[in-house]
Amino acid sequence: EAQVTQNPRYLITVTGKKLTVTCSQNMNHEYMSWYRQDPGLGLRQIYYSMNVEVTDKGDVPEGYKVSRKEKRNFPLILESPSPNQTSLYFCASSLRGGQGKAFFGQGTRLTVV
Amino acid sequence: QKEVEQNSGPLSVPEGAIASLNCTYSDRVSQSFFWYRQYSGKSPELIMSIYSNGDKEDGRFTAQLNKASQYVSLLIRDSQPSDSATYLCALYYGNNRLAFGKGNQVVVIP
Repeated sequence: EAQVTQNPRYLITVTGKKLTVTCSQNMNHEYMSWYRQDPGLGLRQIYYSMNVEVTDKGDVPEGYKVSRKEKRNFPLILESPSPNQTSLYFCASSLRGGQGKAFFGQGTRLTVV
Repeated sequence: QKEVEQNSGPLSVPEGAIASLNCTYSDRVSQSFFWYRQYSGKSPELIMSIYSNGDKEDGRFTAQLNKASQYVSLLIRDSQPSDSATYLCALYYGNNRLAFGKGNQVVVIP
């Protein structure tokens, strides 16, 4: 089954404790991206990757890091989480970048206290 | 950040009626437009894409694009309770970037 898998689904952490949210897709897509979704603000892109070792900032990259060492994986790293990073995070992949159908992961609800 | 506006508040429609959603955008260069549906607590899923002016129909869904007026709309005919969700308008504005609107909630009343 074609899917994008995120882990964990739910995470509560404390300010400053580094964390990683994993994302993996099994569709051989070159394009992957991370979004955060906040009430009243909609989906905003954090980072995206057009291929292995090629990443770029989206609209709200501050406080986040990503890496793309393998085509299937695109982890999101919060080196020093803060409460304003409490949000619902989605990973997505697509075959044709922003022009194609995006497949979204199940989401990760992160709370930073 | 590219502007994608979905200004309508929650939309309540009776079962069997037509739900109409509108989206305006500010980037005249945008060429590809999408509607995603998101059920509460779930991830967005693509339901329609449209690339040229006019109407595109897929089952009970019709997307309408007017590039001169910079709007794209979604009509849901014969609305069903299973259509109750938030609908997100999105546009591709180049450089492999997608911009999303904030979404419109639709509630279909049986």
